[in-house]
Amino acid sequence: QVQLVQSGAEVKKPGASVKVSCKASGYIFTSYYMHWVRQAPGQGLEWMGVINPSGGSTSYAQKFQGRVTMTRDTSTSTVYMELSSLRSEDTAVYYCVRGSYDSSGREYFQHWGQGTLVTVSS
Amino acid sequence: DIQMTQSPSSLSASVGDRVTITCRASQGISSWLVWYQQKPEKAPKSLIYAASTLQSGVPSRFSGSGSGTDFSLTISSLQPEDFATYYCQQYNSYPRTFGQGTKLEIK
Repeated sequence: QVQLVQSGAEVKKPGASVKVSCKASGYIFTSYYMHWVRQAPGQGLEWMGVINPSGGSTSYAQKFQGRVTMTRDTSTSTVYMELSSLRSEDTAVYYCVRGSYDSSGREYFQHWGQGTLVTVSS
Repeated sequence: DIQMTQSPSSLSASVGDRVTITCRASQGISSWLVWYQQKPEKAPKSLIYAASTLQSGVPSRFSGSGSGTDFSLTISSLQPEDFATYYCQQYNSYPRTFGQGTKLEIK
């Protein structure tokens, strides 16, 4: 079965960077895109971007352009999300999400990691 | 970006009630819509994709309908485990966008 296991909670100071990992198992790693979604405390869900594990290409939400970097390591079936210049508003749970394909071949989000809480505080 | 607007933002209902949550897209998204259920401290769980296709393992009391810009999620007979927050999300285009959520509470 598909499993996405994320790294543990982080506490960072404003201006620092954080790198969250997501280790995938139970499927062919390079066959599915991986997305990152975050959720601030008590708030809704926000898509951050996507990486194609096959070639490493990425697409980021405009809001995070220049601050987020998504990478992957095919040897360990792990994707990473690094967010820099952290501010208090970046305090959130960060999820990696793997899609599945509907009957038309469109990708929707089905498999979610357990989430990683990143707290930004001085 | 496509804006997704859910209503209501919160809803109180009783076990056994039939409830409907609506989701409107700011532009047409065909049937590329997912509904999620999220319980506290848990990751979202997909219930319905392609607007009306029930995810495997999801009880048949959940149903979805709509296309274009207007969609709905209906729970035919609320069970205690259904009290949660529900989100819609479009996968017509990037950036993927979510509704603001509907919190379903026990009356």
